[in-house]
Amino acid sequence: QLQLQESGPGLVKPSETLSLTCTVSGGSISSSTYYWGWIRQPPGKGLEWIGIIFYSGSTYYNPSLKSRLTISVDTSKNQFSLKLSSVIAADTAVYYCARGLKTVNWFDPWGQGTLVTVSS
Amino acid sequence: QSVLTQPPSVSAAPGQKVTISCSGSSSNIGNNYVSWYQQFPGTAPKLLIYENDKRPSGIPDRFSGSKSGTSATLGITGLQTGDEADYYCGTWDSSLSAVVFGGGTKLTVL
Repeated sequence: QLQLQESGPGLVKPSETLSLTCTVSGGSISSSTYYWGWIRQPPGKGLEWIGIIFYSGSTYYNPSLKSRLTISVDTSKNQFSLKLSSVIAADTAVYYCARGLKTVNWFDPWGQGTLVTVSS
Repeated sequence: QSVLTQPPSVSAAPGQKVTISCSGSSSNIGNNYVSWYQQFPGTAPKLLIYENDKRPSGIPDRFSGSKSGTSATLGITGLQTGDEADYYCGTWDSSLSAVVFGGGTKLTVL
């Protein structure tokens, strides 16, 4: 079945760029039916939607993160990536990648999540 | 402050029924499908209900979803201690062009 796995550094310094990759296995990222998303969860808090990307490269971003955010897709590697620049301590969170269904907007499955801590 | 409003916590005894509300507006719940997610501590959220009231394969029919106007409700019957988890609603917000989530509800089975 489809599986997603996040990877990237667990520690990022303030003002630097957070970079994560999500590898999709068990299915193709090149689907016009689905999109691929990032969601984060600060410690002890709720879910925050970061943004989504279609295999064509079209994106939708959280307005509050848009100025610092880039989401990209690499169909040859069946991966999509997240870059968040100028990070601060408030960006510390578990970052999840997930597949979403176009139009009806639910997420399934999710990756296991990866904790990224912003600290010097 | 989340766009969708959920009660921070609910509780009920084993075997009882509980409902969790999710309140929004015409730009989100009122005109888009709602999904619900179950999250146990230290694990990723899991899709519980999609398109307002549909259950993915493997989800027991003790879990149900409904939507009316700008609010949605998750119902859980025959509560079990294993249902203790955080529950989140989510939907698309047409004004923000963004997915929005509720703040989450912690279910305690007493």
